[in-house]
Amino acid sequence: GESVGLHLPTLSVQEGDNSIINCAYSNSASDYFIWYKQESGKGPQFIIDIRSNMDKRQGQRVTVLLNKTVKHLSLQIAATQPGDSAVYFCAENTGNTGKLIFGQGTTLQVKP
Amino acid sequence: GAVVSQHPSRVICKSGTSVKIECRSLDFQATTMFWYRQFPKKSLMLMATSNEGSKATYEQGVEKDKFLINHASLTLSTLTVTSAHPEDSSFYICSAGPSYEQYFGPGTRLTVT
Repeated sequence: GESVGLHLPTLSVQEGDNSIINCAYSNSASDYFIWYKQESGKGPQFIIDIRSNMDKRQGQRVTVLLNKTVKHLSLQIAATQPGDSAVYFCAENTGNTGKLIFGQGTTLQVKP
Repeated sequence: GAVVSQHPSRVICKSGTSVKIECRSLDFQATTMFWYRQFPKKSLMLMATSNEGSKATYEQGVEKDKFLINHASLTLSTLTVTSAHPEDSSFYICSAGPSYEQYFGPGTRLTVT
């Protein structure tokens, strides 16, 4: 079936370095993508989103890139901080329904 | 951003009992809310779509008689785990949004003993 997946289950980076978290999706009809951050024992927190008519969107310290040709999504975090340590999920949506399909998640570990 | 709350945050119940979890949108109205389940170190799995004023739509493999959903108002959806068993122990999370953007509640940790 259709699914969203992540390439790396765990990413370990040094504080201050940039982080890149990748995601592959398989539903070519998906038109809205979101990155969430989840800390232990909490609900997912919205980070940034992007629509399929865009290939890049920037936020504060974060950038999302969308490559529709290869169905790939990435989240870039600049100057990674210890507070960025969490699990990151990509999610896709089709048709503005609010119904999301989540990827497997990547754990980001930031070393001081 | 929009705020979604859940209650309780943690609940422990005995096997065979039922547990109700509430999901509220605090500063917006939501005709649709979503319920997810998450096992440790796993991703979120969509259980059902809660529709205000009508029946919930369940994902394949989710027992509708076991996970009762009621969306009685535009700001409240409830999930009742009926006749709970230890395998129902999980982290339950709801989401809602003023439009297609979804905001998540803090989650409810259910432990069935």
